[in-house]
Amino acid sequence: AQKVTQAQTEISVVEKEDVTLDCVYETRDTTYYLFWYKQPPSGELVFLIRRNSFDEQNEISGRYSWNFQKSTSSFNFTITASQVVDSAVYFCALSGNNAGNMLTFGGGTRLMVKP
Amino acid sequence: DGGITQSPKYLFRKEGQNVTLSCEQNLNHDAMYWYRQDPGQGLRLIYYSQIVNDFQKGDIAEGYSVSREKKESFPLTVTSAQKNPTAFYLCASSTLAGAPTGELFFGEGSRLTVL
Repeated sequence: AQKVTQAQTEISVVEKEDVTLDCVYETRDTTYYLFWYKQPPSGELVFLIRRNSFDEQNEISGRYSWNFQKSTSSFNFTITASQVVDSAVYFCALSGNNAGNMLTFGGGTRLMVKP
Repeated sequence: DGGITQSPKYLFRKEGQNVTLSCEQNLNHDAMYWYRQDPGQGLRLIYYSQIVNDFQKGDIAEGYSVSREKKESFPLTVTSAQKNPTAFYLCASSTLAGAPTGELFFGEGSRLTVL
């Protein structure tokens, strides 16, 4: 069985602070995919990133960066110099090699960025 | 514009009534999904469909039914058999149904409240 844990249910920061959202996963698959989605107040989830289990390189996209560590089964997400528009619920998700697009989601982390 | 349209956005239902949530996509995607979102539990898969006239149960299908008569449409019926239907329901679609691309496109959701 697959499992994704986001231990931080809610984080509050002041604008321009850096913030890291934690994600820990469990899977028996040797090949798997990890994702982050953002859910703004409007409700729809927006895809942010996909990473396969063979690619442990960290990735940076503007103010966003992701740290994938297979040894600790973690796929953490850092927002640098946070902005009010970053306020949202962020979900980490996992799919196995044979699962198609059947994603297992974590419980989500609500990020509040205050001006 | 291409996307996924869910309706209604808000719905109130009396106990014992069935209710149908609409999901339409004009992205020409093969696969469509219904997720349920409860606070702190992330998203859980109710049903999915990879092709017209075929659908599969997800993790929490009991008390729900779906149909996929057209590629563009995947309505979800919440039946009176669903014991705790109050939740936020999200519809999603994707291409390459058999590949774990993970890039799901989501609608803005329907919030169902049982009175």
